[in-house]
Amino acid sequence: QVRLAESGGGVVQPGRSLTLSCAASGFTFSSYGMHWVRQAPGKGLEWVAAIWYDGGKTHHADSVKGRFIISRDNSKNLLYLRMNNLRAEDTAVYYCTRDSHSVRFDYWGQGTLVAVSS
Amino acid sequence: DIVMTQTALSSPVALGQPASISCRSSQSLVHSDGNTYLSWLQQRPGQPPRLLIYKVSNRFSGVPDRFSGSGAGTDFTLKISRVEAEDVGIYYCAQATQFPRTFGQGTKLEIK
Repeated sequence: QVRLAESGGGVVQPGRSLTLSCAASGFTFSSYGMHWVRQAPGKGLEWVAAIWYDGGKTHHADSVKGRFIISRDNSKNLLYLRMNNLRAEDTAVYYCTRDSHSVRFDYWGQGTLVAVSS
Repeated sequence: DIVMTQTALSSPVALGQPASISCRSSQSLVHSDGNTYLSWLQQRPGQPPRLLIYKVSNRFSGVPDRFSGSGAGTDFTLKISRVEAEDVGIYYCAQATQFPRTFGQGTKLEIK
């Protein structure tokens, strides 16, 4: 079955960096586009970044552009989010989620919490 | 950016009664490929989001048939024919027609 498992979250000081990972299993990872979506405590869902199935194209939300970078390693079935210059407003649970050709956001991981605090 | 606006449920819903949630987009969600990439997600308390409906009206695998989606262009509706206790949570509409992907603010379903 499809499984997405995020890791790498934790408490980090403002201005520091953190890299999140999402381990994919149960499907051919290299055939699917992938996304990061976040949810601040008590708030709604915010799309963060997307990457094409082959890594050839990426999109980032304006709120993270220039600070966050989405990438993937199809040989390891891993999705990444490198987060630089973290701010308090980046505090959230970060989810990875999948796109198929016709079904968007079809499977979600359990999420990993990032807390930015001094 | 496309803004997604959801309506709030007017009051808690009694078990077995129907519920309806509306979602409006600030521009048409018809993609150049002819599809309308409007999805509905459910988030139960303490859980990650779960896909219920994709491309306006298609139920995702394992979703009970009491959930249905309808609409076109900029106006969409999620209907629950008979609310059950497990349906408690927050429901989000989401557009995947263009980047940035955007979500509605969420609609909370409570049981009376």
